[in-house]
Amino acid sequence: DAMVIQNPRYQVTQFGKPVTLSCSQTLNHNVMYWYQQKSSQAPKLLFHYYDKDFNNEADTPDNFQSRRPNTSFCFLDIRSPGLGDAAMYLCATSKSGRPYEQYFGPGTRLTVT
Amino acid sequence: GEDVEQSLFLSVREGDSSVINCTYTDSSSTYLYWYKQEPGAGLQLLTYIFSNMDMKQDQRLTVLLNKKDKHLSLRIADTQTGDSAIYFCAAGSASGNTPLVFGKGTRLSVIA
Repeated sequence: DAMVIQNPRYQVTQFGKPVTLSCSQTLNHNVMYWYQQKSSQAPKLLFHYYDKDFNNEADTPDNFQSRRPNTSFCFLDIRSPGLGDAAMYLCATSKSGRPYEQYFGPGTRLTVT
Repeated sequence: GEDVEQSLFLSVREGDSSVINCTYTDSSSTYLYWYKQEPGAGLQLLTYIFSNMDMKQDQRLTVLLNKKDKHLSLRIADTQTGDSAIYFCAAGSASGNTPLVFGKGTRLSVIA
């Protein structure tokens, strides 16, 4: 039944140690998003893919990268995590022409020690 | 660009109705959404309304849209303790391929 799947649900990494979060979807949606959400705040968009086209938000740090090898999968790479990168990372998907279908995954809680 | 505002907190008694309010600035936003987030979880799409509608009802949820005032509300009838969560209002375009703009979320506390 799961439509947007994120792995792992909890990730602990050390300061400066690269980490990759993954997202997969079974909806065949052509748009995928990565959001960062810190405690008691709204989700903040990092970047999104419209099909294969990558769209980076202007204030997304260079430390954050993304890959989308195919329609179903999208990865978030944090090259050198800092303490300030500890947050919930949310993946979402949508489909062109169907704006009423914008779904989120359960999130990955990242802890940086 | 679009800006979405919500009040941050709401507390209601179990069995009462809850009304969560939201305002937005961009009149070209064509879809407006309500998401629910429980502690430690992702965002769950509760309902949405298209901008040419005034009202949408879905079981205990009623969404009202005043397009002239750019005001959206979510009413939860017979509020239960399981409704305690953060509720996010979001605005989006008709294309479905652009990011949503979220409000800061309203934390709903239900008192038994």
